[in-house]
Amino acid sequence: EVQLVESGGGLVQPGGSLRLSCAGSGFTFSSYWMHWVRQAPGKGLVWVSRIKTDGSYTNYADSVKGRFTISRDNAKNTLYLQMNSLTAEDSAVYYCAGGGSGYYGSWGQGTLVTVSS
Amino acid sequence: EIVLTQSPGTLSLSPGERATLSCRASQTVSNSYFAWYQQKPGQAPRLLIYDASRRAAGIPDRFSGSGSGTDFTLTISRLEPEDFAVYYCQQYGTSQLTFGGGTKVEIK
Repeated sequence: EVQLVESGGGLVQPGGSLRLSCAGSGFTFSSYWMHWVRQAPGKGLVWVSRIKTDGSYTNYADSVKGRFTISRDNAKNTLYLQMNSLTAEDSAVYYCAGGGSGYYGSWGQGTLVTVSS
Repeated sequence: EIVLTQSPGTLSLSPGERATLSCRASQTVSNSYFAWYQQKPGQAPRLLIYDASRRAAGIPDRFSGSGSGTDFTLTISRLEPEDFAVYYCQQYGTSQLTFGGGTKVEIK
């Protein structure tokens, strides 16, 4: 069974940093493109970033470019999202999702990030 | 960035009825790189349709997708009780992937 489990969310002050992790199991992690998608409370889905199977390609939503960094460790079956210079607008549930370069058939349960003083 | 506009915002229907959800793109979505997801309260989204019309694994055949260019449609032929949820469209034809704002299908 494919499983994706996010961790690392929590409360952080504006301007602060946070690193999210997503552990995959039950599938060949290195064969999946991986993405981060976020959802503010009561709002819709917003794509954040994606990384190619071998980590050789990444890209970001304009709203997070220059502040967030996506990476992966295929030996550990783990995806990461380093988030810097956080603002209240970054508060959301962050989902990791895996699948193709554009669409994702596998999702984690999400981790909540709250940016507040 | 391609902006996706979903309509209607809310669809009130009864079980057994047909649901037609629309999504319009602000510019042409290349290669029909278009997907639909279902999300229930407190749950992660679930992939229903990709490449505009291909059903994801395990998705019942009452769900179908169609469209090309700028206009895409998700049809649920006969609503089951478990189909009442929020549905999102998504395009992946450009490097900036985008989602629509969602259509809520509620019980009438």
